[in-house]
Amino acid sequence: EAGVAQSPRYKIIEKRQSVAFWCNPISGHATLYWYQQILGQGPKLLIQFQNNGVVDDSQLPKDRFSAERLKGVDSTLKIQPAKLEDSAVYLCASSLVLGDYGYTFGSGTRLTVV
Amino acid sequence: DAKTTQPPSMDCAEGRAANLPCNHSTISGNEYVYWYRQIHSQGPQYIIHGLKNNETNEMASLIITEDRKSSTLILPHATLRDTAVYYCIVRVVGNAGNMLTFGGGTRLMVKP
Repeated sequence: EAGVAQSPRYKIIEKRQSVAFWCNPISGHATLYWYQQILGQGPKLLIQFQNNGVVDDSQLPKDRFSAERLKGVDSTLKIQPAKLEDSAVYLCASSLVLGDYGYTFGSGTRLTVV
Repeated sequence: DAKTTQPPSMDCAEGRAANLPCNHSTISGNEYVYWYRQIHSQGPQYIIHGLKNNETNEMASLIITEDRKSSTLILPHATLRDTAVYYCIVRVVGNAGNMLTFGGGTRLMVKP
């Protein structure tokens, strides 16, 4: 089966600019996750979707980050305006159902804010 | 979810078994032990999980102590491609509120 697709692979922006990341999960996977991974640390969950509804966004900095999952398939994560500390890899993952045994991760988008 | 403790780094000779320990002394009865790994520039990859019994698949074996307070992931014949960060995670399965929470992991370096 095809994996989780993410784009772009790399992005460099200046602080205060906006940026968007795209994720296409595995076909049929109802649950989608966005993680932020700062260099040298483990991934940190930002938001979890079940179909097109938000299950948990308690770790999402809502003053600058937003995410949506239209039609319960693809998802976009946006940062506006970006700060230097947002430099990280943004990982998307999906699973068949909520609470599933295993997640499948994409390769991520590496964001550098200068 | 319970916290886990892993050594920050380990080395292993190519072809030898790699034994990665994990302590989870506060694990609850309904929490599973998961292992993921992350190869450089890739997303984390699921390896194996277990509740009480030892588990084995094509990638690795998972040994869980009888009191469930610690576990060991075993890569029986490590190759250079097994160089990665390995994450041990404990989590309740089937609960929508319990997502995968990653710690710092163990950086395994397989050397020729």
